Amino acid sequence: DAGITQSPRHKVTETGTPVTLRCHQTENHRYMYWYRQDPGHGLRLIHYSYGVKDTDKGEVSDGYSVSRSKTEDFLLTLESATSSQTSVYFCAISEQDNEQFFGPGTRLTVL
Amino acid sequence: GENVEQHPSTLSVQEGDSAVIKCTYSDSASNYFPWYKQELGKRPQLIIDIRSNVGEKKDQRIAVTLNKTAKHFSLHITETQPEDSAVYFCAANRGSTLGRLYFGRGTQLTVWP
Repeated sequence: DAGITQSPRHKVTETGTPVTLRCHQTENHRYMYWYRQDPGHGLRLIHYSYGVKDTDKGEVSDGYSVSRSKTEDFLLTLESATSSQTSVYFCAISEQDNEQFFGPGTRLTVL
Repeated sequence: GENVEQHPSTLSVQEGDSAVIKCTYSDSASNYFPWYKQELGKRPQLIIDIRSNVGEKKDQRIAVTLNKTAKHFSLHITETQPEDSAVYFCAANRGSTLGRLYFGRGTQLTVWP
């Protein structure tokens, strides 16, 4: 597997609390992505980054924010978690128009 | 944005039979088409990809075909085995959003021994 890790791997939190998920890469890839995966919906893009401090919204960005202050780290923040954000979150990395390598995933449960 | 449609959503085959999964895309500027396999509880992993300058690519029992005129591409798995059971995702890039992939909703393939 490409050098990509996610933390935490599992998290249970309560509605209304802030949550931050971290993606860390050692491959020096330019692009980083956050997806959520829910049954019947496949992989849906939340936000992605095409360089340090350069980010853009995906198809399901409402309720999420991201930051990328270093090439190797991409943070996903849920400012005020809701039950609808219970999901499995995958980070991915790539070079332009090439294979995306996925991290191991974070299972988030919002009670 | 790019619309990638994937069919069927579920597919059951007998071991040894072939399986075919089809995807269509909407942007004629798309030029990169990967396929991912995701086993239960695991991360998606690339199994094969094709670029628009070729019509077919093979890797052992797996092949992908691309029809740019019709804007569709297909995954073919021959001599299926129980370990091929997984969810398969197709994806396509788009000329105007560099680095981004648009995924189909996935196909659950079950191979019965």
